[in-house]
Amino acid sequence: EPEVTQTPSHQVTQMGQEVILRCVPISNHLYFYWYRQILGQKVEFLVSFYNNEISEKSEIFDDQFSVERPDGSNFTLKIRSTKLEDSAMYFCASEGQAPEAFFGQGTRLTVV
Amino acid sequence: KQEVTQIPAALSVPEGENLVLNCSFTDSAIYNLQWFRQDPGKGLTSLLLIQSSQREQTSGRLNASLDKSSGRSTLYIAASQPGDSATYLCAVTYSGGGADGLTFGKGTHLIIQP
Repeated sequence: EPEVTQTPSHQVTQMGQEVILRCVPISNHLYFYWYRQILGQKVEFLVSFYNNEISEKSEIFDDQFSVERPDGSNFTLKIRSTKLEDSAMYFCASEGQAPEAFFGQGTRLTVV
Repeated sequence: KQEVTQIPAALSVPEGENLVLNCSFTDSAIYNLQWFRQDPGKGLTSLLLIQSSQREQTSGRLNASLDKSSGRSTLYIAASQPGDSATYLCAVTYSGGGADGLTFGKGTHLIIQP
């Protein structure tokens, strides 16, 4: 069964460093998303991406964040200068013609 | 700002019981509603999607209903099993076309006692 895959599963980084979280969405999907979940809190929408550009972004998605689809399969989230409060689980999701979102297993980002 | 609320926050029941999880949303103009399951430290598994024109969806022992006018959805789990223990999340979206992200509730943490 097709699935969304994310790498790495866990990333530890020092405050101020840049991190890139990687996702391979389901192959024939058109819409791509990043969400985050701070420990004990709700899953929060960060950004949606369609047709090689950002469709929507939340207030959380500030200038420190960027997304890219560098080739036909990968979808990345970059955080330029990590802060302690960026520590969270980051989920990638994709959606095809049917409006059902499929999520990856997440990357746990720990900023120290 | 759209809010999604899930009640109860936690629920513990003996194996075999039928149970209902509740979700409410502040703006009834939703496009669709999706129920997910999240196991500890894991990703989200889609359980059921209800589009705004539908009133319910069923998958195996799960049945989800949607009442847009009252801003409510329920997830009914029949004949619960220990393997159903997880956090159940409700999420809504307010436009089609994939541009809009999902707005999530905080979830109901469900424990099924063997």
